[in-house]
Amino acid sequence: AQSVAQPEDQVNVAEGNPLTVKCTYSVSGNPYLFWYVQYPNRGLQFLLKYITGDNLVKGSYGFEAEFNKSQTSFHLKKPSALVSDSALYFCAVRAYSGNTPLVFGKGTRLSVIA
Amino acid sequence: NAGVTQTPKFQVLKTGQSMTLQCAQDMNHNSMYWYRQDPGMGLRLIYYSASEGTTDKGEVPNGYNVSRLNKREFSLRLESAAPSQTSVYFCASSEAERRGLYAYGYTFGSGTRLTVV
Repeated sequence: AQSVAQPEDQVNVAEGNPLTVKCTYSVSGNPYLFWYVQYPNRGLQFLLKYITGDNLVKGSYGFEAEFNKSQTSFHLKKPSALVSDSALYFCAVRAYSGNTPLVFGKGTRLSVIA
Repeated sequence: NAGVTQTPKFQVLKTGQSMTLQCAQDMNHNSMYWYRQDPGMGLRLIYYSASEGTTDKGEVPNGYNVSRLNKREFSLRLESAAPSQTSVYFCASSEAERRGLYAYGYTFGSGTRLTVV
C-alpha cells in the first residue's frame, strides 16, 4: 500500500527566509512524487513532480524539491519565502508500476509572516 | 478556460436526501477522480475512472456511487446523505498513466462544499 506522511500540520516562516515543508512516503518499488498547493477556497494546483533522474526537481513559483531515496523523503523547499506563498501544501505519491491513483498526505499549512 | 468544472459550488442537504455532484473536463483526459477533503484528513479518494467505461473504488467509497457518463463527465451520487458526508468534494482528471514511461499530474476542479444537516 502507498502512503504519505507530512509530519507538520503548520509551518511558520518569516518572509525572505528559506522554507522547507517535509514529506516522507512509503511505496512498493520506485515512486512518482508530487507537490500540490491549495489557496483558500480553490482547488489544488500542481507545483512539481519527481519521475526519475535528477534528485533535485524545480517547479512553479520558485519551489523545488529534493528526492532522497534512502530516507524515502521528498521535501519541498524555497530559498526565500514570500507572503503570497502562504497556503496549504500537499505531497502525493503513487507507485512507478501499475495504474493507481495518487495518494495524498494530510497537508501542511504554510504561513509566511511579513 | 480549459479545465475541470464542478457543479454546484455549494449545497446544503438534509439527512436522507440525495444529490448528484457533476464534473466535466475539456482536456480530453482519460482518467477522472473524486476526492473528499476534510480538516486534518487531507484528500481521500472516493472513486476513480481510469478510462471511459471503467470505475473503481477508492479509499472511502461507502455511501457513494459514480457514473462515467462519457469521456468528459464523471458524476458522484449520494443516495442518502449523512452528516458524515459533510465535506469539500474535488473532482480531478489526468492523462492515462503509461506504465514506466511517464506520470501526469492531476488537474483539479474548484470543489463543491457540501453540508448535510
